[in-house]
Amino acid sequence: DVKVTQSSRYLVKRTGEKVFLECVQDMDHENMFWYRQDPGLGLRLIYFSYDVKMKEKGDIPEGYSVSREKKERFSLILESASTNQTSMYLCATGRIRTDTQYFGPGTRLTVL
Amino acid sequence: EDQVTQSPEALRLQEGESSSLNCSYTVSGLRGLFWYRQDPGKGPEFLFTLYSAGEEKEKERLKATLTKKESFLHITAPKPEDSATYLCAVVGGYGQNFVFGPGTRLSVLP
Repeated sequence: DVKVTQSSRYLVKRTGEKVFLECVQDMDHENMFWYRQDPGLGLRLIYFSYDVKMKEKGDIPEGYSVSREKKERFSLILESASTNQTSMYLCATGRIRTDTQYFGPGTRLTVL
Repeated sequence: EDQVTQSPEALRLQEGESSSLNCSYTVSGLRGLFWYRQDPGKGPEFLFTLYSAGEEKEKERLKATLTKKESFLHITAPKPEDSATYLCAVVGGYGQNFVFGPGTRLSVLP
């Protein structure tokens, strides 16, 4: 079974703080993805990575950056958190970009 | 532009009352259609991948089918534990990202 883990289930941060969300997968998949999920807006792609140190912007990259130093780890960074980044953040992994993605449990981030 | 719509938005069933959820899509060069189940506060759980029109997949009480314009998720004799939001997603040609639908919120009452 594919296992995708995320560093925190719940996180509360203050406006202006730097926030790190980490995702780890154990399936040796090339591709890893970060989404955010908001009521009424569905899942939206923030960034994805197709190899170590390689990344591409998704649909809503503004205010976020990512890091992939090892194949199994993909980090999402909020350089200066803002209240409009309060959301559910979901990491996913996939063998190829256009095939099945497997999701982690999610991190519910609240920015006060 | 690739689009996915799902209907109904919400569905309430009595235990044992079979029904179907719809996912309609517009995509150029479908590479795959995916069904997920999502429980409140959790990440989506993969159910099925369908690649071409006419394909069907089954798992316990769930059966997914695919045509050139839509997919159905049939739920036979549902149980309360089938209550969840069901998400549909599609991916098109080379270099395309997943496009997710808004989901159908299913409640199965005992």
